[in-house]
Amino acid sequence: DAGVTQSPTHLIKTRGQQVTLRCSPKSGHDTVSWYQQALGQGPQFIFQYYEEEERQRGNFPDRFSGHQFPNYSSELNVNALLLGDSALYLCASSVDNQNTIYFGEGSWLTVV
Amino acid sequence: QKEVEQDPGPLSVPEGAIVSLNCTYSNSAFQYFMWYRQYSRKGPELLMYTYSSGNKEDGRFTAQVDKSSKYISLFIRDSQPSDSATYLCAMRTTGGSYIPTFGRGTSLIVHP
Repeated sequence: DAGVTQSPTHLIKTRGQQVTLRCSPKSGHDTVSWYQQALGQGPQFIFQYYEEEERQRGNFPDRFSGHQFPNYSSELNVNALLLGDSALYLCASSVDNQNTIYFGEGSWLTVV
Repeated sequence: QKEVEQDPGPLSVPEGAIVSLNCTYSNSAFQYFMWYRQYSRKGPELLMYTYSSGNKEDGRFTAQVDKSSKYISLFIRDSQPSDSATYLCAMRTTGGSYIPTFGRGTSLIVHP
C-alpha cells in the first residue's frame, strides 16, 4: 500500500516565478493538508482540502493556492515566489479529521 | 509567546539512556496531544497520540500529559542510535479546527 507521495522531491526556482507541487494521498484517505516547514521549525499549516473544497486555511497569503481533484490528489501552487518561501513543503493525508495523519516525504523548494 | 514551546536541542545521550522530551503549551483548550518523529530530510511520522491527561505506553515509548501544568513529555527507554531524529510535539482541540499546532521539534542524538 503506497503511502503519501509527493513530487517533485527537490526544485530550485527564481524569485518571482511560480511553482506547482503535487500530492497523492494514502489509499482510502479523502482529506489532504499542506504544511510549510522552514529549517529548524515545525510544520506550519497552509490549508486543507476535503471533497475538492478548501475547508480551512492557515495564516498564509493568497499567493498560496491549491486544488483537490476527484481522485483526492492535490496540488499546491505558489505565485510570485519570495526568498522566504524556501522550505520543505509537506503534504499530509487522513480520513476526514482523524488524528492519524500521514505525511509524505516532502518537496524541498529553494528560491534563489 | 508561541502556543507550543519546544526546546530545539540538540539533546545528545549515550545508547541505552532514558530520554525525556518535553513541550509546554498555552492553549488550555488543547485536548489531543501527539508526538511525531522526523528523520533528516524525511516527512514526520506519527509515534503516539493521547487524549486529555494521563500516560500512554507503546513499547519503549511513553507519552505523558499534565494538563494542569500545560506540559507534555515523551520518554524513550533504552535509547538506540536509530532513535536519532527530530521529535515534534503537536496538539489540537476537540472541536472547531482539527488542525494540529506543532512545536519546532527537538533534535535527539543517541551515540553508540
